[in-house]
Amino acid sequence: RKEVEQDPGPFNVPEGATVAFNCTYSNSASQSFFWYRQDCRKEPKLLMSVYSSGNEDGRFTAQLNRASQYISLLIRDSKLSDSATYLCVVNKAAGNKLTFGGGTRVLVKP
Amino acid sequence: NAGVTQTPKFQVLKTGQSMTLQCAQDMNHEYMSWYRQDPGMGLRLIHYSVGAGITDQGEVPNGYNVSRSTTEDFPLRLLSAAPSQTSVYFCASSYSISGNYEQYFGPGTRLTVT
Repeated sequence: RKEVEQDPGPFNVPEGATVAFNCTYSNSASQSFFWYRQDCRKEPKLLMSVYSSGNEDGRFTAQLNRASQYISLLIRDSKLSDSATYLCVVNKAAGNKLTFGGGTRVLVKP
Repeated sequence: NAGVTQTPKFQVLKTGQSMTLQCAQDMNHEYMSWYRQDPGMGLRLIHYSVGAGITDQGEVPNGYNVSRSTTEDFPLRLLSAAPSQTSVYFCASSYSISGNYEQYFGPGTRLTVT
């Protein structure tokens, strides 16, 4: 079993719709959680950190469920520019050894 | 402020050749790391450094060497290239070694080994 698993997609989303997807992690001792965005043939960039209480940044909402060991990302009012691959990233212990999921591809269509 | 820079952007090697991928950052970050990204595999950590003179192995270190003589530079050396090392290589830096801070990635090096 992979340490961090994501549905690869693609999630085909009409413009203006809401899309949500999860990421599961296997190590219950994981401490920090992030969503990164990666555009085609570009480097990953931090979208948002995920806090225990859940957090929101504009149209993006991230949730953490420690009991079931997953994090989620919800995108409201999808824009064409939201088309990208979203990488789930987990830091399983103190120190900066991050584990990346394989990514979920989102395609927003007019 | 250039952030994280990587050279070259593209490289084709023959099996058995060696080369060095360059990475530099101008943010005075202590933590630097190298990842490779293969289709469907996510990014996998090759080597990392928590400061000048200190390096350690990541998840997939075999066939690669690193050194960190300065805070700014963190080159990755391929000792004897193999087709299995065909991948996209990303260098990243971070303010802290704690894992709670943003990783800044370079633009990547696309390497093909024939």
